[in-house]
Amino acid sequence: AQSVSQHNHHVILSEAASLELGCNYSYGGTVNLFWYVQYPGQHLQLLLKYFSGDPLVKGIKGFEAEFIKSKFSFNLRKPSVQWSDTAEYFCAAVGARSGSNYQLIWGAGTKLIIKP
Amino acid sequence: DSGVTQTPKHLITATGQRVTLRCSPRSGDLSVYWYQQSLDQGLQFLIQYYNGEERAKGNILERFSAQQFPDLHSELNLSSLELGDSALYFCASSVRDSPYNEQFFGPGTRLTVL
Repeated sequence: AQSVSQHNHHVILSEAASLELGCNYSYGGTVNLFWYVQYPGQHLQLLLKYFSGDPLVKGIKGFEAEFIKSKFSFNLRKPSVQWSDTAEYFCAAVGARSGSNYQLIWGAGTKLIIKP
Repeated sequence: DSGVTQTPKHLITATGQRVTLRCSPRSGDLSVYWYQQSLDQGLQFLIQYYNGEERAKGNILERFSAQQFPDLHSELNLSSLELGDSALYFCASSVRDSPYNEQFFGPGTRLTVL
């Protein structure tokens, strides 16, 4: 069955540190990938997405993610985090349209805390 | 504010009871998705409606049902509630029926079953 794994459930960093959050998926074919973020007290919102083309995708607020097909990964990165990046980050994936595959599969989320 | 509203914000009920969660999508969005998020778990897709019709079904229990009305708001009905149904229930909307489209999420309804 398709799945999305986020191995780090909690990450604590200091301001200005570099960030990399892991996301691995188990789809065998074409896959579309997303990162959503939920800031404290706010709704989930899209951070960035990958459909095709350049495997390095840039999103809002200085975030980027790299699609590495050979590693089935779509890790989220930011060179220098700020206190305002404290949030929960979710990776999600959807395969090509095919029956029950045609729905977003979500990772368990990573809670990121940035110490000021 | 995403433009998606959910009511109520909190719901506390007893086992065996039935509840209805309501979702109003963003203006112009035809698709509504329902998700369940249990403690320390990711979002589990329950069901999707598009323009009044069921479009996709996920791991939704038979005790749960949903519908989308002509004004495009949606309701998720949970019956014969069990302790394990305690969770955060999110609704999301998007313009079209494809999960490739960005989904806009509501604030969620926190259901506690005692």
